[in-house]
Amino acid sequence: GAVVSQHPSWVICKSGTSVKIECRSLDFQATTMFWYRQFPKQSLMLMATSNEGSKATYEQGVEKDKFLINHASLTLSTLTVTSAHPEDSSFYICSARDLAGGVNEQFFGPGTRLTVL
Amino acid sequence: QKEVEQNSGPLSVPEGAIASLNCTYSDRGSQSFFWYRQYSGKSPELIMSIYSNGDKEDGRFTAQLNKASQYVSLLIRDSQPSDSATYLCAVGENSGGSNYKLTFGKGTLLTVNP
Repeated sequence: GAVVSQHPSWVICKSGTSVKIECRSLDFQATTMFWYRQFPKQSLMLMATSNEGSKATYEQGVEKDKFLINHASLTLSTLTVTSAHPEDSSFYICSARDLAGGVNEQFFGPGTRLTVL
Repeated sequence: QKEVEQNSGPLSVPEGAIASLNCTYSDRGSQSFFWYRQYSGKSPELIMSIYSNGDKEDGRFTAQLNKASQYVSLLIRDSQPSDSATYLCAVGENSGGSNYKLTFGKGTLLTVNP
């Protein structure tokens, strides 16, 4: 149980384009999903908390107009990187809380590796 | 700013030995603690969660929590080469309303030598 999927697993795009990443909870409902970014040899940095049916809560320093988050259903959240630039190249990982399975445990998707040329 | 500190390592142990990974945290009010394993190029995988002082065992893994010392550790018994990975300590916090988030340490790289 508690399986989270992400799509795509990797993407290469030109500078200035937008990229959408999907995060799905496959066998549970996730009222809250989280989006992280990880640069090489660094730890995970929380970008935003995504709540179903409401606006996302962004961490300090994360541009909400650049990283658009939509959590339209209990099993799907999307992150859109708008007008991507090379410095946005990173490993983007989502996670979801399974409230039924454990109070505060988060389960991670496999991640999406974004490369912006 | 809540902080989670880990020794970055690398920690190198021989196969079959006990690997001990340590973590300290700054927020005395923290209630939830997690250990994740991350293989190179992959996303984190939850190994253990612990909420109460003392030890919690699951197979070869034992998590230890001491809230008074703001210290949480992970012991891996009978270490295997497949245990070689970065181990991330994470501390949970309520961030307002129903929101809840994790703060991660930078991770400790463990290498188990055959």
